[in-house]
Amino acid sequence: GAVVSQHPSRVICKSGTSVKIECRSLDFQATTMFWYRQFPKQSLMLMATSNEGSKATYEQGVEKDKFLINHASLTLSTLTVTSAHPEDSSFYICSARSGLAGGNLDEQYFGPGTRLTVT
Amino acid sequence: QKEVEQDPGPLSVPEGAIVSLNCTYSNSAFQYFMWYRQYSRKGPELLMYTYSSGNKEDGRFTAQVDKSSKYISLFIRDSQPSDSATYLCAMSGSSASKIIFGSGTRLSIRP
Repeated sequence: GAVVSQHPSRVICKSGTSVKIECRSLDFQATTMFWYRQFPKQSLMLMATSNEGSKATYEQGVEKDKFLINHASLTLSTLTVTSAHPEDSSFYICSARSGLAGGNLDEQYFGPGTRLTVT
Repeated sequence: QKEVEQDPGPLSVPEGAIVSLNCTYSNSAFQYFMWYRQYSRKGPELLMYTYSSGNKEDGRFTAQVDKSSKYISLFIRDSQPSDSATYLCAMSGSSASKIIFGSGTRLSIRP
């Protein structure tokens, strides 16, 4: 199946600093990428949807100035958590859909996740 | 009320048993129903994908959707220790819409 990678897999940062997480589709082009956040024993919550070359669409309650998303190419999206606080500590998972016009649900592939710990 | 409800478990069964995992939902607009498997500290992996009501079988896995009851199930036959993971139900209103996930059921298969 298609492969989505994330880097780094784990990151620890100090409160007030920024951290960037990369998401890459390795063997397909992704016109649409998604960023999710998952707290322990909880579901994946969609944070934002990004389409290559355009601004991301954020879900209600997600601060767009805090979680900066850039989808600069068909294989790369980045999530930058700015001025991180301990409550931002979570498991961040990206996902990418292959195919044109946003792709289909069974063509949506998930990355392995990034564990962010803010101290 | 959450759009998708799923018992978090944990559920522990002996190897070889039949496992039944379930979710209920409230949004009648959902048309696409998925089951994902997520191992610890990994991203979800799509197991089953169905459209509307009915059954779908793939090897040891069977997915059932009952739209009239807003109830979906995943059955695992001849369960193996390697099936131990968290299983997430998920659904969407259209093939291009966002996916809404259940909270996941932690499953453990005892050798």
